[in-house]
Amino acid sequence: EVQLVQSGAEVRKPGESLKISCKGFGYSFISHWIGWVRQMPGKGLEWMGIIYPGDSDTRYSPSFQGQVTISADKSISTAYLQWSSLKASDTAMYYCARAPSGLANWFDSWGQGTLVTVSS
Amino acid sequence: QSVLTQPPSASGTPGQRVTISCSGRSSNIGSNTVNWYQQLPGTAPRLLIYNSNQRPSGVPDRISGSKSGTSASLAISGLQSEDEADYYCAAWDDSLNGQVFGGGTKLTVL
Repeated sequence: EVQLVQSGAEVRKPGESLKISCKGFGYSFISHWIGWVRQMPGKGLEWMGIIYPGDSDTRYSPSFQGQVTISADKSISTAYLQWSSLKASDTAMYYCARAPSGLANWFDSWGQGTLVTVSS
Repeated sequence: QSVLTQPPSASGTPGQRVTISCSGRSSNIGSNTVNWYQQLPGTAPRLLIYNSNQRPSGVPDRISGSKSGTSASLAISGLQSEDEADYYCAAWDDSLNGQVFGGGTKLTVL
């Protein structure tokens, strides 16, 4: 069974850094794109970017380019989303998801989500 | 403002058929397939329809998707209380070089 397991909820202050993770189980992690999706409180889904763990090819939404960094460590089947300087507006639920058939297609498995709260 | 446009809400009574629309442009729905996700309260999204009209295993056949030109639709027949959720359409956008989502439609079963 394909499973994506994300790291736990985080609380940070504005200006702090953060790295959250997403570990894949039950499939060839290096062979499928992993995307990140933001959901701000009470709002809809936003595609942030996507990475191919096999060669770390990474694409970003123009809205998130320069604001976050997506990376992956294929040796431990884990993808990451990180911030160097958090803002209050980064408060949201963040989901990772697997694209089974190329970067331009659907997400068939989703992580449980990581809630990030940024508050002074 | 989402790139894909969905009605914010929809409703129906048990057993009814409801449809949810998703409108885009030539760079997204017009040239790529559409996917639909269901998000139950407090849970992660779940894939409902991919490639505009394909159902993953486990999704009942009372749920269907279609696409025409720059618009797509999700139809749910035999509405049940457990269908009450938020529904999102999504498609690749060739101009933005990324996935775009609709703003979501909250389905209420009366």
